[in-house]
Amino acid sequence: AQSVTQLGSHVSVSEGALVLLRCNYSSSVPPYLFWYVQYPNQGLQLLLKYTSAATLVKGINGFEAEFKKSETSFHLTKPSAHMSDAAEYFCAVNGGDMRFGAGTRLTVKP
Amino acid sequence: NAGVTQTPKFQVLKTGQSMTLQCAQDMNHNSMYWYRQDPGMGLRLIYYSASEGTTDKGEVPNGYNVSRLNKREFSLRLESAAPSQTSVYFCASSESRVQSPLHFGNGTRLTVT
Repeated sequence: AQSVTQLGSHVSVSEGALVLLRCNYSSSVPPYLFWYVQYPNQGLQLLLKYTSAATLVKGINGFEAEFKKSETSFHLTKPSAHMSDAAEYFCAVNGGDMRFGAGTRLTVKP
Repeated sequence: NAGVTQTPKFQVLKTGQSMTLQCAQDMNHNSMYWYRQDPGMGLRLIYYSASEGTTDKGEVPNGYNVSRLNKREFSLRLESAAPSQTSVYFCASSESRVQSPLHFGNGTRLTVT
């Protein structure tokens, strides 16, 4: 079965600093990978998705993720954090049904 | 544009009581899902419906039943609630099972005492 592992349950950065949220996947076939964001008391919203068209995927709100097959990774980055980026982020893989990582809570300090 | 609508938003049950969580989507999606979210565990799939008329078990189906009433509606039933079912429940939908992203409702927070 396909799965994802998110490294770090909590990441804290200063406003304006680089955001790096880590995700590794396990899949025997080329995966469909996703990043979602969850704000308090809301459902998950799609940030971006990888479907093999390009290894660098750009999403909403300035986020992007790079698919690296050799490292089985799909890390999420943003060059400059904003206070509004504080949320929980989930990596997911879809091989017939969507399976989620445990999530990483991002805190942004002023 | 409503998207995915879940009711109720909050519910408190006593052990052994039953209830049904309702979900409706207005995007003409084929596939619908029920997940539960627990701290530190991400979202776990309870049941899904790949298309109207079909339902299948996910990772954690025990203690739950589902009904795909029509293309728009997918309900989740707890027949005899247990404290272990205290969680936040999310309904989601997608155009297809594999490539498409999920669209989520805002969740139902359920407490079983």
